[in-house]
Amino acid sequence: SQTIHQWPATLVQPVGSPLSLECTVEGTSNPNLYWYRQAAGRGLQLLFYSVGIGQISSEVPQNLSASRPQDRQFILSSKKLLLSDSGFYLCAWSINGGIGYTFGSGTRLTVV
Amino acid sequence: KNQVEQSPQSLIILEGKNCTLQCNYTVSPFSNLRWYKQDTGRGPVSLTIMTFSENTKSNGRYTATLDADTKQSSLHITASQLSDSASYICVVRANRDDKIIFGKGTRLHILP
Repeated sequence: SQTIHQWPATLVQPVGSPLSLECTVEGTSNPNLYWYRQAAGRGLQLLFYSVGIGQISSEVPQNLSASRPQDRQFILSSKKLLLSDSGFYLCAWSINGGIGYTFGSGTRLTVV
Repeated sequence: KNQVEQSPQSLIILEGKNCTLQCNYTVSPFSNLRWYKQDTGRGPVSLTIMTFSENTKSNGRYTATLDADTKQSSLHITASQLSDSASYICVVRANRDDKIIFGKGTRLHILP
């Protein structure tokens, strides 16, 4: 069966420090991968999506970047975190052309 | 513009009571609609998924309805339990560009 792993679960980072969040999927090949951010009291906002290795599309301009070095690995990064980067980050995957999305357990990022 | 609107924004009910959450969408062309339950600090978990031809789908005490003509969906929770306290998110998928649009969710509080 397919599973999605996201880590770490919580992270506290100082302003200006780098960030790396990792997401991996097991049990499937060539998934579509997504990074979402959920600010407190707000809906889910799509940050990046990827339909294949090295293929990244950005939905909103921001201080973050994403990379997909392997088929089932999706990484969210920042060179210098801002206070506004605090939030709940969710990774998700779907089958290309499929009808459902499965979410990871999320990472609570607090920038101090 | 593709949008998903949920109501109410938050809801408080007593344990054992029933409730209904609403989702209206303007996504076109429509592919499918999904209800997710998101516990605080966790990733969303799928409750139901409905395609164009489906009117009702149940998952235990959760029953979702879909009216594709009026572009409305509801999630009915029967005999609520304390563990139902969570955010419920309506997600609609567009058929053309494979985009998914999230509602901002309804925050449900079940009181003992």
